[in-house]
Amino acid sequence: NAGVTQTPKFRVLKTGQSMTLLCAQDMNHEYMYWYRQDPGMGLRLIHYSVGEGTTAKGEVPDGYNVSRLKKQNFLLGLESAAPSQTSVYFCASSPRNRGVTEAFFGQGTRLTVV
Amino acid sequence: QQQVKQSPQSLIVQKGGISIINCAYENTAFDYFPWYQQFPGKGPALLIAIRPDVSEKKEGRFTISFNKSAKQFSLHIMDSQPGDSATYFCAASMVRAAGNKLTFGGGTRVLVKP
Repeated sequence: NAGVTQTPKFRVLKTGQSMTLLCAQDMNHEYMYWYRQDPGMGLRLIHYSVGEGTTAKGEVPDGYNVSRLKKQNFLLGLESAAPSQTSVYFCASSPRNRGVTEAFFGQGTRLTVV
Repeated sequence: QQQVKQSPQSLIVQKGGISIINCAYENTAFDYFPWYQQFPGKGPALLIAIRPDVSEKKEGRFTISFNKSAKQFSLHIMDSQPGDSATYFCAASMVRAAGNKLTFGGGTRVLVKP
């Protein structure tokens, strides 16, 4: 069982370049999320999705776009990368549940913008 | 402004000692408080969680203490082991809100010395 898989694991971009981070989950979860992790700031929510075809802004959405065309995939795009977007990006998924919910995380993508 | 504040940022404990990490939250609508454990190069994974209707929850060597009136909760790691060396994140969410979005604290890096 693969769980949540992120592609790529590492990437170096030049300022102004664009890229797409891919996230795939095989647990049939309704909810998916993109977080960024920076030292001392924990994980901050960029965008999230409550189902196929839906997306919503999180805490730090500026400079990012997302799409969820298929239930199992959640894509994060950077249209014009900036050094401030240097970070470790985590995708996560969770089942729709009104009670206690566990989020399952991928292994992360380390992105450096130079 | 961080809605969940976590302290300390790092701590060193001897094998067999007790590790204590504290978190404080501001939003009284939060009703689910999980702790996540993250090893280097990995994504966070759920360790233990509590709902505000109980003041304490214990799972093995890990205990959450919750103080609703003070809006604070803490993680105690008893008999700390070198294998517990990791970064710990507290988090909070509103289980009735769409998406079950987690708001994370800044993280605590724990080092257990043998």
